[in-house]
Parts: sequence; structure tokens; C-alpha cells
Amino acid sequence: SQQGEEDPQALSIQEGENATMNCSYKTSINNLQWYRQNSGRGLVHLILIRSNEREKHSGRLRVTLDTSKKSSSLLITASRAADTASYFCATAYTGGFKTIFGAGTRLFVKA
Amino acid sequence: EAQVTQNPRYLITVTGKKLTVTCSQNMNHEYMSWYRQDPGLGLRQIYYSMNVEVTDKGDVPEGYKVSRKEKRNFPLILESPSPNQTSLYFCASSITTDRPPGEQYFGPGTRLTVT
Repeated sequence: SQQGEEDPQALSIQEGENATMNCSYKTSINNLQWYRQNSGRGLVHLILIRSNEREKHSGRLRVTLDTSKKSSSLLITASRAADTASYFCATAYTGGFKTIFGAGTRLFVKA
Repeated sequence: EAQVTQNPRYLITVTGKKLTVTCSQNMNHEYMSWYRQDPGLGLRQIYYSMNVEVTDKGDVPEGYKVSRKEKRNFPLILESPSPNQTSLYFCASSITTDRPPGEQYFGPGTRLTVT
């Protein structure tokens, strides 16, 4: 399978805590994206990081990329109950048009 | 409002009865794609299109067909649906003027059940 892998599969935290989820991929990428999905709805794009970038921020989100380890992490700081959702990483491989999604991390934030 | 629309949203059909799920975007995006989502497997790409009349297979194209005759539309065709095609389907688009695709905008999903 070409799928990326995410861990943990599920994460349960208290409101106000930070949530970290990880994504690993298999071959050279052009960019890596993180998406959020609420309960069977369409995915919403959160942030894109290019292969020549190491870290990117957007509001309470921080994404890192380590191309030597073929991995990325998404950190959500000061989580809220409304952050409860599934989070997916997606990779766009160098030289192609395919997009490969990971299996996702289910985040549950308890109020 | 910029959006990707899919129809129908829900569909129950029987094995072998041809069906089409429509997808339309109003953002003048070049790139469009179909995914299926199954529990524990995340999203898997079925087909994608880089522009009008240019399509290519994703990771799970068997049993599906697509066409891109207009920039805004990218229908997914199941010529002879089977129960293993029961899934949640998403259409997405991206502006991408150069490979590979960046941010994708997703439709609301089509839940298909094949009995």
C-alpha cells in the first residue's frame, strides 16, 4: 500500500491540553497537507507544508516536516471541544498528480 | 460561494445497475479528484483529472470510470456496481496549474450503498 501512516489512531485529551499527531510517508514528496473531518462530512484543508520547509504555523496549529525521516507532526495547542474531529495527512509526491492520504487520527477533546 | 457540489448525497442501489455521481466546482480549478472513504482505511484516490480531457488512475480505479468534458464537472460512473463499492465518496478540486496538487476543496460526500 502507498498509504501514509498516522499515529495515534485515536487520542483523547482534556480541553486546554495540546494534541500531537504524527504522519509518516514512503517516498519523496513535493508537499504534505493536513485536513480535518467532522463526523462523515467533507474534509477541510488546514495547512500545507512544502518539502523545503521545516515548520509552519497557522493560529493554534503547528506543523513540522522532517524529510530525512519521512515524517510530519501536527500540534494543536490549547485544544477546545470544537477541535474534536478526525485529522488526516495527505502527501503529494514529487513528479506526479496523485494524493495519498493517511488513515487518520481521531481526536476527542473532553470539555 | 466557492464550493464543490456532489449529487446525489445518498444513494441505495442494487448490484449491476449503472449509476453516475456528479461533481461540479465553481472555482475554475484545473485539478479534480474522486476518493472513497472506508472505515479504518482513510481516503483512497480513485481517479483524478489534471484538466479537461486529461484523467489518470489513482490507487483504486477498478470498477469506476470518469470523464472530464468540461472544466467544472467530473462525474464518477459505476457501470456495474457491486457490494464492495459500498462506501462514502468524495469529490475534490484544486487550483493546481503545475504538478503536484496543493490545497484541495472537498464536496460534502455521497454515501453509496450497493445491495
